[in-house]
Order: sequence, then C-alpha cells, then structure tokens
Amino acid sequence: GQNIDQPTEMTATEGAIVQINCTYQTSGFNGLFWYQQHAGEAPTFLSYNVLDGLEEKGRFSSFLSRSKGYSYLLLKELQMKDSASYLCAVEGYSTLTFGKGTMLLVSP
Amino acid sequence: DAGITQSPRYKITETGRQVTLMCHQTWSHSYMFWYRQDLGHGLRLIYYSAAADITDKGEVPDGYVVSRSKTENFPLTLESATRSQTSVYFCASSDSGGSGNEQFFGPGTRLTVL
Repeated sequence: GQNIDQPTEMTATEGAIVQINCTYQTSGFNGLFWYQQHAGEAPTFLSYNVLDGLEEKGRFSSFLSRSKGYSYLLLKELQMKDSASYLCAVEGYSTLTFGKGTMLLVSP
Repeated sequence: DAGITQSPRYKITETGRQVTLMCHQTWSHSYMFWYRQDLGHGLRLIYYSAAADITDKGEVPDGYVVSRSKTENFPLTLESATRSQTSVYFCASSDSGGSGNEQFFGPGTRLTVL
C-alpha cells in the first residue's frame, strides 16, 4: 500500500520562499510528481523527480531522497497567484497515488 | 477542441439513479484514469485503462463501472448512485504508463447525489 503525508495548510507572504514537504512509505516507487491545483480547477503538472537530488524549473524546485522517502517542493519569490493546493503523488507501476494536498495561502 | 473534456460539468441526481460521466481526449493517449476528489481524502483513483478494452480497478472501485470501446472515450457509470458518491470527478490521460509520463486532467464533473 501507499502512505503519503503532506501538511494540510501553509501560509506565506508575497515575495517569500516556502517549502512544502512530502513523506511517503510505499510498496512500489518509480518516481514522484508534484501538481498544482487552483480552487475549482483541475490539477496541473509542476515537476517530476525520479533520481535523488534537486530539479529546478524557474521559481519552482523539487527535491527527492529515495532512501528517506522524502520530497519537497520549493517555491521562491511567491506571488499571489501561487495560492493553491499542491499535490504530491507517488508513481507506481502505471498509476499515481496522491497525498491529500497542501493548501498554500499567500498573503500580501 | 483539442485536449481532454468532461461532460456534464455539473450534475444533480437522486439516490438510486444511474448516472454516466463522459470523458473524451483528442491526443490518442493510451492511458485514461478516473479519480474522485473529496475534502479530507484528496484525489483517489477509481478505475484506469491502459488501452481500448483493457480496464483495471483503482483504490475505490465499488459502485462504479467503466468501459473503453474507443481509445478516446472513457465513460464512468454509477449504476445506482448513493449520497457517498457526491464528489468532484476528474478524468485524466497519459501517453503511456511508463516512468515520468505526466497525466493531463480534464476540468472535472461536480456530482451531487440527493
């Protein structure tokens, strides 16, 4: 089975940096996805990690440690539009198992 | 239009009625997925399909039926709707089931069962 933990909510200020953590215990692991979901909308892809280390993509970076069952999403230079839910998802054989998501609120 | 679409976007039905949610994608993706999203549970996989005529159960398949006679369509049927099936349903597709293949999500169907 899969057990994926993320904080339920986080708050941060515009312009700041925030780190959203995700820990997992799984029976099968191929990689880890991060998705962003604005209220009332569909999830959209942010990043994918398969090897240990940091993947950087503009203001967003994602880190993976396979041995520790740990990932984080780092958001820099926060903007109001970054207020959304961030979903961590473990990739199994052909499917994804999602965490419950972290709702990030960015305030002015 | 290109992409992945779902219909209807909103549906209200009564307990015991049959409801079918439609999903259509224009990318010829092999894999298609149905999720439900509920507060406190996140996204949970109901069923998925690796190709036409191949379907498999996900985490929460009870009370749902799927079919996939054509690559582009993946309807989800609630044979006898229950209040616990009130949820937002997302369809998704991906090019393959291999490592790193991003899933693209449809806009969702908000279903209310009275």
